Amino acid sequence: DTGVSQDPRHKITKRGQNVTFRCDPISEHNRLYWYRQTLGQGPEFLTYFQNEAQLEKSRLLSDRFSAERPKGSFSTLEIQRTEQGDSAMYLCASSPAGGPTDTQYFGPGTRLTVL
Amino acid sequence: AQSVAQPEDQVNVAEGNPLTVKCTYSVSGNPYLFWYVQYPNRGLQFLLKYITGDNLVKGSYGFEAEFNKSQTSFHLKKPSALVSDSALYFCAVRDPGGSQGNLIFGKGTKLSVKP
Repeated sequence: DTGVSQDPRHKITKRGQNVTFRCDPISEHNRLYWYRQTLGQGPEFLTYFQNEAQLEKSRLLSDRFSAERPKGSFSTLEIQRTEQGDSAMYLCASSPAGGPTDTQYFGPGTRLTVL
Repeated sequence: AQSVAQPEDQVNVAEGNPLTVKCTYSVSGNPYLFWYVQYPNRGLQFLLKYITGDNLVKGSYGFEAEFNKSQTSFHLKKPSALVSDSALYFCAVRDPGGSQGNLIFGKGTKLSVKP
């Protein structure tokens, strides 16, 4: 069990550029979540996958955001036409099956800075 | 709507003294409650969770939490604080009847343990 990994750890981009983040969950974890955390706040839910199916999106996930989990393993989160308000820590978490009692295990996060 | 509140932005404790980080929740039905810790520029680490049963839950690094249904609280405690416990602590709730399975986090409490 190597834990949840995320890449890159830091990303600095200019406003208007596209960025893509990757998350590798704990192997054999069926559920994968994306959260966003801004300074001084707790993480906020963005979206989640059950295997390769994206089952829910938060209202925070605007049309500029898209997430995929093509083979039910790793996931990518893409932000198009980045805005300064997108600057945040993007956290990925995974859990075995998604039951309400399952623990979500978080990766180290990708810190995005939009200039 | 489900929510958690962490009434203290910061808690200051002397090393060796007991610590308490407060959390109250609002959820319909029986809650599933979690505590996570976050060190600077890191992801969240799971500490403990309450699902059902004994109101005193023991977790990692000597932490424990007490579930109190009548007061809708889930306070995190440790008998003797260490300087290395200094970090950001998040309480989270999961709606047992919800379909999303995502966690709803409080804003976090910064714990500072002085030598």
